[in-house]
Amino acid sequence: DAGITQSPRHKVTETGTPVTLRCHQTENHRYMYWYRQDPGHGLRLIHYSYGVKDTDKGEVSDGYSVSRSKTEDFLLTLESATSSQTSVYFCAISQGQGLGQPQHFGDGTRLSIL
Amino acid sequence: GESVGLHLPTLSVQEGDNSIINCAYSNSASDYFIWYKQESGKGPQFIIDIRSNMDKRQGQRVTVLLNKTVKHLSLQIAATQPGDSAVYFCAENRVGSQGNLIFGKGTKLSVKP
Repeated sequence: DAGITQSPRHKVTETGTPVTLRCHQTENHRYMYWYRQDPGHGLRLIHYSYGVKDTDKGEVSDGYSVSRSKTEDFLLTLESATSSQTSVYFCAISQGQGLGQPQHFGDGTRLSIL
Repeated sequence: GESVGLHLPTLSVQEGDNSIINCAYSNSASDYFIWYKQESGKGPQFIIDIRSNMDKRQGQRVTVLLNKTVKHLSLQIAATQPGDSAVYFCAENRVGSQGNLIFGKGTKLSVKP
């Protein structure tokens, strides 16, 4: 879907361990986003990128960092995972922002922190 | 606080009937709205969008209506099919939010054969 690949698709890890999720796109879109989806909260923005090496925080950025060294890859890192970070994580891309430029999503990574 | 919300968390319709999914928003400065469909185990899929200077927009079997007076958005699905069963989200782009979307919590649509 829309040339977005998230990896891994599923991961189980322990509290305190570092975790990195990868989003890879083949669309050459400028913008990339990381969201988390939890019951009762809907999709919440963690971080986003508006170009190579250009990133900014979203609504729920605490405990997460991101990097974008290439147009096609956007990495999300949990430096020291906590149980509250158990969630489904979605990557999205868009050509631009706002009017007429919708975000397109990958199929998600289900992350469990034990 | 201001948020995008949904009137009904679940909606059950008969196959072949029309479906209407509603969404209320509270920020009158929002200038762009999107509907997404999410099937189990998958990411949200773009359905249709509408700008705030429009009242209605049609796609294939779907129509989005925007009523800015009462800050209400609806998605109409014609001749609902079993494949339409999913969770539907509305999202808004608020002016000044740097293009970042605010998502509602979703409505689950179940289609009975």
